[in-house]
Order: sequence, then structure tokens, then C-alpha cells
Amino acid sequence: GAVVSQHPSWVICKSGTSVKIECRSLDFQATTMFWYRQFPKQSLMLMATSNEGSKATYEQGVEKDKFLINHASLTLSTLTVTSAHPEDSSFYICSARDLREVYSYEQYFGPGTRLTVT
Amino acid sequence: AQKVTQAQTEISVVEKEDVTLDCVYETRDTTYYLFWYKQPPSGELVFLIRRNSFDEQNEISGRYSWNFQKSTSSFNFTITASQVVDSAVYFCALSDDNFNKFYFGSGTKLNVKP
Repeated sequence: GAVVSQHPSWVICKSGTSVKIECRSLDFQATTMFWYRQFPKQSLMLMATSNEGSKATYEQGVEKDKFLINHASLTLSTLTVTSAHPEDSSFYICSARDLREVYSYEQYFGPGTRLTVT
Repeated sequence: AQKVTQAQTEISVVEKEDVTLDCVYETRDTTYYLFWYKQPPSGELVFLIRRNSFDEQNEISGRYSWNFQKSTSSFNFTITASQVVDSAVYFCALSDDNFNKFYFGSGTKLNVKP
């Protein structure tokens, strides 16, 4: 099956610094990747849709300048949390759709990255 | 507006009991897709099933079964003879016919005790 990886799996950073999270499709190409955020004991909320070679589409209420998304290739999307604050601490999950599966509605989810801002 | 409701926040059962996780959805789309995912403590989402809005057949996969009823906008998930390894948070999700936006329910935490 399709595999999506995320790096790092967890990160602790100081308030005010920036953190980059990578999402890679390991055995398939993904024109579209998605970024979700999950607070403790809560559901996943879609933050943005990342399309290769174009600007990401952000959901309402998500700060574009704070959560920078770059989808530079068909296998890599990055989420950079800029000037992180403790309230940005969360579990960030990416997912990707397989380019080959034209009629597939399945998103393959990465294992998630736990961010803690101190 | 799209919405998924999982009214059961947490359920505890004893091993070998059957358990049903409820999912109710709202959508104005005529074509849509429903999903169930399992999230173990490790955090990684595990895909369990997807259903399109035109397929109301119930499905059984081993100890898992799903009951899709459009009339009540429900897509319930039953685990038969539960096991400790079934302990996890289970999410129901709804996707539009473009398959791009997933709307997740709030999740149901299942505790299966030995």
C-alpha cells in the first residue's frame, strides 16, 4: 500500500522559533497533499490543501503567514510553523492522494508530528 | 454544511463483548463518501472502510461490520467479539465527491478491557 512519512515524528521548540515539518509520499506521486491539525482528544481539522507547484489553499481561520506550506515536488510537502507559540502545540498530520489512482478517494495519512512549543 | 457527529465520546467494554460505534452525518451533496479510521495510541490513522452514497449494502470484514442507512444519515460501525487490540480512537469521516475535503467526527475512544 501507499506509504506517507513525516519528519520529525516529534519536536520541541522554544517560543518564537520556526519549525519545519516534512511530509513525503514514499512509493507514489502525490499532486495533492493535505495538512491537518489535531488537538489533544479532539478531531482532525483540515488546515490546508497543498498542490504541487502552486500555492496552498488554506481553510478559513488558518493563518497563511504563520503556517507556511510548500509543495515543491510530487513527493514532498512541507509545513513551517513560524514564530511558534505554546498554543501552536499540537499533533500535525499530513495526507496524500496517489496521482495514479484517478478515481480513488482515499487519502493516505502520515504518522503525524507532535509539536510542543515551550 | 458538512458535519459528522459521533455522540459517543468514550466507550468501555470487556473483551469479547460486541460494541457499536455510532456516526451520523449531514450533507447536501447527493454524491459523497463515508469513512472509518482507527487511531491507535501511536497516532497514525489506519483506514478501515469507505462507502459511497449510492452503495447502501452493509459490509462485513472479519470482526468488523458497517451499517449504512441513508434514511437516517447514519454509518455505524460494529466490532464483534472485541479484543484489547481494538482499543483506540475511531473516527468517522465524510468526504465530498471531489474527495478533497474530509470532515471528521470528534472520535470515539474505545477501551477494551481484558
